[in-house]
Amino acid sequence: NSKVIQTPRYLVKGQGQKAKMRCIPEKGHPVVFWYQQNKNNEFKFLINFQNQEVLQQIDMTEKRFSAECPSNSPCSLEIQSSEAGDSALYLCASSLSQGRDTQYFGPGTRLLVL
Amino acid sequence: GDSVTQTEGPVTLSEGTSLTVNCSYETKQYPTLFWYVQYPGEGPQLLFKVPKANEKGSNRGFEATYNKEATSFHLQKASVQESDSAVYYCALGDLGGSSGNKLIFGIGTLLSVKP
Repeated sequence: NSKVIQTPRYLVKGQGQKAKMRCIPEKGHPVVFWYQQNKNNEFKFLINFQNQEVLQQIDMTEKRFSAECPSNSPCSLEIQSSEAGDSALYLCASSLSQGRDTQYFGPGTRLLVL
Repeated sequence: GDSVTQTEGPVTLSEGTSLTVNCSYETKQYPTLFWYVQYPGEGPQLLFKVPKANEKGSNRGFEATYNKEATSFHLQKASVQESDSAVYYCALGDLGGSSGNKLIFGIGTLLSVKP
C-alpha cells in the first residue's frame, strides 16, 4: 500500500480564496507529481519535481497555481485565487524516477470551490 | 502525442463471470504500461505494470499482455468477485517524448460486480 500522505483530505473554499494542500512522498522517492482528477475521472498533469527542482509544469500551473517541494518539509500545491472549475480531486504521487517507473499515489485532497 | 483509449464503462458483471477491459495506446516511444485501480475515496493504486513488449503482467487474478504489434494491453480476469468493484485505468509512462515524464491515463472503466 502507498505511503504517500496528503492533507487535508477535504477542502472547501469560496471563489477567490487561496487553497493549499500538502503531500509527503514515500520515503526515498525523489520525484513528486501533482495531478488533478475531475468528476469525469480524467487526469490532468499539473507539475512534477525531482528533489526540490521543477521538472515540468503546464501553463495553468504557471499562473494561479504554485507548488514547491522544499527540503525536509512537505511538498505543497497552492491555488492563489480559487475558481469553481478548480473543484476536483488533487492527487500527489511519488516515484523513484521519472517516466517509466511506478508512481505511488496518495488518497488525494478533494477541493470544493463554492 | 501519446494517448490511451480504453473500454468505456460502466461494466456490470455477476460474480464468477469473466472480465475484459480493452486498452489501446499510441506512442512513438517504448513505454511501460500500467493498470491502476481506484476504489472510492482513495487514490489510484498499482495493479501491475509491464515494462517490456510481449511480456505479461498479473496480480490478484488480473492479467494483461503488452502487445506491441497491436498496441494493446487488455485487462482480463477469469472470474470476478464483488470486491473487484472499482474503477480501472490503463496508463502509459515514458521518459521524454510527447508524454514527458508523466503518466498518460485512459478514461477509466467503472466495474460493478453483483453478488
